[in-house]
Amino acid sequence: DTGVSQDPRHKITKRGQNVTFRCDPISEHNRLYWYRQTLGQGPEFLTYFQNEAQLEKSRLLSDRFSAERPKGSFSTLEIQRTEQGDSAMYLCASSLTGPGLNSPLHFGNGTRLTVT
Amino acid sequence: DQQVKQNSPSLSVQEGRISILNCDYTNSMFDYFLWYKKYPAEGPTFLISISSIKDKNEDGRFTVFLNKSAKHLSLHIVPSQPGDSAVYFCAASPLIQGAQKLVFGQGTRLTINP
Repeated sequence: DTGVSQDPRHKITKRGQNVTFRCDPISEHNRLYWYRQTLGQGPEFLTYFQNEAQLEKSRLLSDRFSAERPKGSFSTLEIQRTEQGDSAMYLCASSLTGPGLNSPLHFGNGTRLTVT
Repeated sequence: DQQVKQNSPSLSVQEGRISILNCDYTNSMFDYFLWYKKYPAEGPTFLISISSIKDKNEDGRFTVFLNKSAKHLSLHIVPSQPGDSAVYFCAASPLIQGAQKLVFGQGTRLTINP
């Protein structure tokens, strides 16, 4: 179990630029989630995938945000035309779900985005 | 609309004593509750969970209590150790969805004093 891996750990970008983050889940996990955490708050759900299918998106996820999980393994989260309000920690998590099985979320260490 | 609330931003406890962290929720659809621990520069780590069919779940030094009528849960850590110093998040979800769309509280920073 190598855990959930996120890259990069930190990203500083100028307002208006596009950024892309990558997440590699635990290999046997079929569900992958993206959460966002701002200072002093708990993580907030953004979206999740069952294998390669994106099953749900939060209303927090504006149309500037897009997430993919092309082969049901790693995932990318892209933010276009970044705004200062996008500055946050972006957390990826994965879990294993099946008949009679629903493991807790295992989180990565996050990507901290700073938009200047 | 804060559906999960942790009203104590911080808590300080002597090593060896009991730490009690509290959490309140408002959504009666929540049926599955979890506690996560977070160290600086790391992601949250799962600690313990409880579903609404139980009122207590225990795992080593950690016990979670659920009072559905009061919409309240608590995490007890006995005995507290210095390594328990971290931010603790309470999270909730409708059980039918399992642990996907978790709604988190704001967190409580626990400090264990030697």
